[in-house]
Amino acid sequence: KAGVTQTPRYLIKTRGQQVTLSCSPISGHRSVSWYQQTPGQGLQFLFEYFSETQRNKGNFPGRFSGRQFSNSRSEMNVSTLELGDSALYLCASRGGQVNTEAFFGQGTRLTVV
Amino acid sequence: SQQGEEDPQALSIQEGENATMNCSYKTSINNLQWYRQNSGRGLVHLILIRSNEREKHSGRLRVTLDTSKKSSSLLITASRAADTASYFCATDKDDSWGKLQFGAGTQVVVTP
Repeated sequence: KAGVTQTPRYLIKTRGQQVTLSCSPISGHRSVSWYQQTPGQGLQFLFEYFSETQRNKGNFPGRFSGRQFSNSRSEMNVSTLELGDSALYLCASRGGQVNTEAFFGQGTRLTVV
Repeated sequence: SQQGEEDPQALSIQEGENATMNCSYKTSINNLQWYRQNSGRGLVHLILIRSNEREKHSGRLRVTLDTSKKSSSLLITASRAADTASYFCATDKDDSWGKLQFGAGTQVVVTP
């Protein structure tokens, strides 16, 4: 079974631009969640999607948005990039709703210059 | 805010020794999961322990959970250089809707 796939692996963007990151969950998994990891703040939850519906959202500004498609693939978008958005963005997929493991992808390293 | 707090922040041991790290959390949980991360790469899932379980094993890993003390520990026995990584605990609550709350992690260095 293929794992969680995130693309691209690395991105360099300029302040003010926007970026879209993609996550393909493990086949059959319907829950996809996104996290931001920075040295200063650690791992912080962005949002979670289940069957194309956002069920939970973390404490991030509206510039951070996401969506999930009918095949469970998810994208997250960051608009008007700021230097502080430089981070490792991780997505996780889960097969069930209760007491199931969350499996993570390799992440997308975003650098904003 | 982070639910889990790992202790110690950093740990340096020699190959063959055991490594123990602890995680404390604040609210009631459904389960607690441990992850390993190598040098800014993705998180590798190690073990999930449910709130009604007290101990779980997986290979050289042993995890305990004490819900009365709101704490968990991860023991790596007979450490290898390849165990060098950061280890994170993450808590999962009933009404969390997919949200895991992570601690700051323990950085483990295993020297040959």
